[in-house]
Amino acid sequence: AQSVTQLDSQVPVFEEAPVELRCNYSSSVSVYLFWYVQYPNQGLQLLLKYLSGSTLVESINGFEAEFNKSQTSFHLRKPSVHISDTAEYFCAVSEVDNAGNMLTFGGGTRLMVKP
Amino acid sequence: GAGVSQSPSNKVTEKGKDVELRCDPISGHTALYWYRQSLGQGLEFLIYFQGNSAPDKSGLPSDRFSAERTGGSVSTLTIQRTQQEDSAVYLCASSLAATGANYGYTFGSGTRLTVV
Repeated sequence: AQSVTQLDSQVPVFEEAPVELRCNYSSSVSVYLFWYVQYPNQGLQLLLKYLSGSTLVESINGFEAEFNKSQTSFHLRKPSVHISDTAEYFCAVSEVDNAGNMLTFGGGTRLMVKP
Repeated sequence: GAGVSQSPSNKVTEKGKDVELRCDPISGHTALYWYRQSLGQGLEFLIYFQGNSAPDKSGLPSDRFSAERTGGSVSTLTIQRTQQEDSAVYLCASSLAATGANYGYTFGSGTRLTVV
């Protein structure tokens, strides 16, 4: 079984400041890693994912996350946030050998970008 | 359809009544998942359907919860004798079969259930 911990339930930050949303996971097997974003009053959308290869993955809107196997982390970063980035962000894992199986989600981090 | 469709978008029900929540997945997606998102909480897995295989019901919180998937497409989540703690947003997601992880899930917008 796997578990995901998002240490920060809320992260307030000023516009154009950098931000890091932390995610740590626990699993006895290899995992795939995901970040999902939920904008106000909308459903969850896939932001980025790590499956294999380069440990640094990027999204189209400037976010990036780095898979660190030794620290079992997959932190999400952005060098300069916008008001429109205000949303809830969820980290998730799934087992490599059960690719069609369920995702396990963290508790979410609410990013609040202030002008 | 183009996306995962859930209905109703909002449901208010009296304690003790039964409710049915509907999910219409993306055409061709054989895997379908139900999750629950409670206020201030993360997403809690409820049930998983994959093709014609027996569903994985390991996440259902009690025997008041059940789900079915007809014809490998539309799914209905039923909650019997609703309780106030059932109040949450119920999310449905679908994915291509064994490649679910490669593409991630596509989520619906959810059904917000309020039990009064």
